[in-house]
Amino acid sequence: AQTVTQSQPEMSVQEAETVTLSCTYDTSESNYYLFWYKQPPSRQMILVIRQEAYKQQNATENRFSVNFQKAAKSFSLKISDSQLGDTAMYFCAFMTNSGYALNFGKGTSLLVTP
Amino acid sequence: SAVISQKPSRDICQRGTSLTIQCQVDSQVTMMFWYRQQPGQSLTLIATANQGSEATYESGFVIDKFPISRPNLTFSTLTVSNMSPEDSSIYLCSVDSRASTSGNTIYFGEGSWLTVV
Repeated sequence: AQTVTQSQPEMSVQEAETVTLSCTYDTSESNYYLFWYKQPPSRQMILVIRQEAYKQQNATENRFSVNFQKAAKSFSLKISDSQLGDTAMYFCAFMTNSGYALNFGKGTSLLVTP
Repeated sequence: SAVISQKPSRDICQRGTSLTIQCQVDSQVTMMFWYRQQPGQSLTLIATANQGSEATYESGFVIDKFPISRPNLTFSTLTVSNMSPEDSSIYLCSVDSRASTSGNTIYFGEGSWLTVV
């Protein structure tokens, strides 16, 4: 079974600063997908960024980037130039290449302050 | 990406009643998924719904409590039966949407926030 661990229940960052959210996972699979989802107070799950395990290059989406360390089974999310609208719960999730269900971490609550 | 609509977005339900949540997708998808998010918790998969076959339930979830329909490739329903306060949760529909070159991505509907009183 795959497990996903987010060790930071809460974090805060000042507007315009950079913050990194941590995620580790455990799997015996060699190919899989990793995701970061954002859940604002509206409760909708919004895909932030996606990484395929067979790709060595770290995924980037505008101000969001990941540091994917496959050997260490680590998948951290870096948010640059933080904005007030980034305030949300952030969930790290894992999916095997052969499956479609997501395994989620417990989430990190991020607060961006003025 | 897929556009997923869920109804209702929010409801307050009486103990012992049942409520059906609808999920509509703007494109045909093979698999649809139903998740539950209890207050302050992460998401837990309830079941996987394939068109033309019975849903596959995860451990701890049973068809009598959470019957699911999947009549076509764009629509699914989840019923929460005989509700108790412990069923107060956000229920989310999700679909897989294969990117053109690189495989699976999972998208979510807006969620249905149920409160059982």
